[in-house]
Amino acid sequence: NAGVTQTPKFQVLKTGQSMTLQCAQDMNHNSMYWYRQDPGMGLRLIYYSASEGTTDKGEVPNGYNVSRLNKREFSLRLESAAPSQTSVYFCASSDNPPQDRSEKLFFGSGTQLSVL
Amino acid sequence: GENVEQHPSTLSVQEGDSAVIKCTYSDSASNYFPWYKQELGKRPQLIIDIRSNVGEKKDQRIAVTLNKTAKHFSLHITETQPEDSAVYFCAASRGYGGATNKLIFGTGTLLAVQP
Repeated sequence: NAGVTQTPKFQVLKTGQSMTLQCAQDMNHNSMYWYRQDPGMGLRLIYYSASEGTTDKGEVPNGYNVSRLNKREFSLRLESAAPSQTSVYFCASSDNPPQDRSEKLFFGSGTQLSVL
Repeated sequence: GENVEQHPSTLSVQEGDSAVIKCTYSDSASNYFPWYKQELGKRPQLIIDIRSNVGEKKDQRIAVTLNKTAKHFSLHITETQPEDSAVYFCAASRGYGGATNKLIFGTGTLLAVQP
């Protein structure tokens, strides 16, 4: 059981380049998320998707786009990378449990992105 | 939108002592409050969570308390061990009432347990 798989694990970009971070989950979860983690800033929500075909902005969506390709996959695209987007990116997924059960987020292993 | 503040940003304790991390939230409609632990270089993992209809929850050496009136909640770790050393994040959301769990995190607390 792979859980949440992110690719790539590391990436270096030059300012202005574009790239797509891929995320897939095999737990049949409805909801998927993209977070970025910066020192002293915690985990900040970029975009999330409640279900296939729907996406919504989180706390810091500027400079990013997302696609919920199907129930398994949720990609994050940087159209024109900037040094301020240097960060660790985490994809996560969760189910919609009954009211009394844990709403646990399952995280991927992260992508370390450097924009020079 | 929701805003979560977390204190302290760093905490150093001696092995065997207790550690307390505190968070406040702004959205009175939030009803789900989890805590995640992140070891160095690893992904965050859920360690305990609480809902707004419960004031306290325990799991072995870990407990979480919630004060809805004051809009704050705390993580308590007793008899700390070196393996408790990690970054701890609190979070808050309205839960799945809105079809998805839009979780907003605090800025994290680096806990160091000195042997």
